[in-house]
Amino acid sequence: EDKVVQSPLSLVVHEGDTVTLNCSYEVTNFRSLLWYKQEKKAPTFLFMLTSSGIEKKSGRLSSILDKKELFSILNITATQTGDSAIYLCAVNRGTSYGKLTFGQGTILTVHP
Amino acid sequence: DVKVTQSSRYLVKRTGEKVFLECVQDMDHENMFWYRQDPGLGLRLIYFSYDVKMKEKGDIPEGYSVSREKKERFSLILESASTNQTSMYLCASSFLSGNEQYFGPGTRLTVT
Repeated sequence: EDKVVQSPLSLVVHEGDTVTLNCSYEVTNFRSLLWYKQEKKAPTFLFMLTSSGIEKKSGRLSSILDKKELFSILNITATQTGDSAIYLCAVNRGTSYGKLTFGQGTILTVHP
Repeated sequence: DVKVTQSSRYLVKRTGEKVFLECVQDMDHENMFWYRQDPGLGLRLIYFSYDVKMKEKGDIPEGYSVSREKKERFSLILESASTNQTSMYLCASSFLSGNEQYFGPGTRLTVT
């Protein structure tokens, strides 16, 4: 059975801290791994990773994939209150229709 | 910008009622998806569609049906709502061979 597991499930930090969110997976026919950010609205796309060891970066956020050990991390440096959200990890199972398997999500709370 | 809209943000229904949730996308995407999101369980796929009048069951289709009469519109139907269907429902769309899914804002359904 395909499985995506995120850790921690929740995290509380103060502004300026650096956080690392984890996502491990066991799926057949891996095609890509995606990270989304969800505030009180639609999840918004952050990164898509397909190759091991290549870091994707956008401002204070970065992510990397390890296809040998079957995990990805999402780093956020110098956190701000606006980073408070649910962070979702999803794996594209390589089927024809782009079906995604999601992890449970990590709830990040950043206090001033 | 891709836009995915859902008919209601909040909905309260009684047990046994028939419930329709509507989703519309404006990017001419072939694929459309319905998920439910519950705390600690992440997003779970209910049904998806890869073309007009074509549909396939996702991971948790029991108690739900769908309709796709036009390419831009995908409806989720709860034939006889039950309290265990109280949840956040998210619609998404993507290109046929796409990785990234674009999400609507969600409908929070409460069944009493």
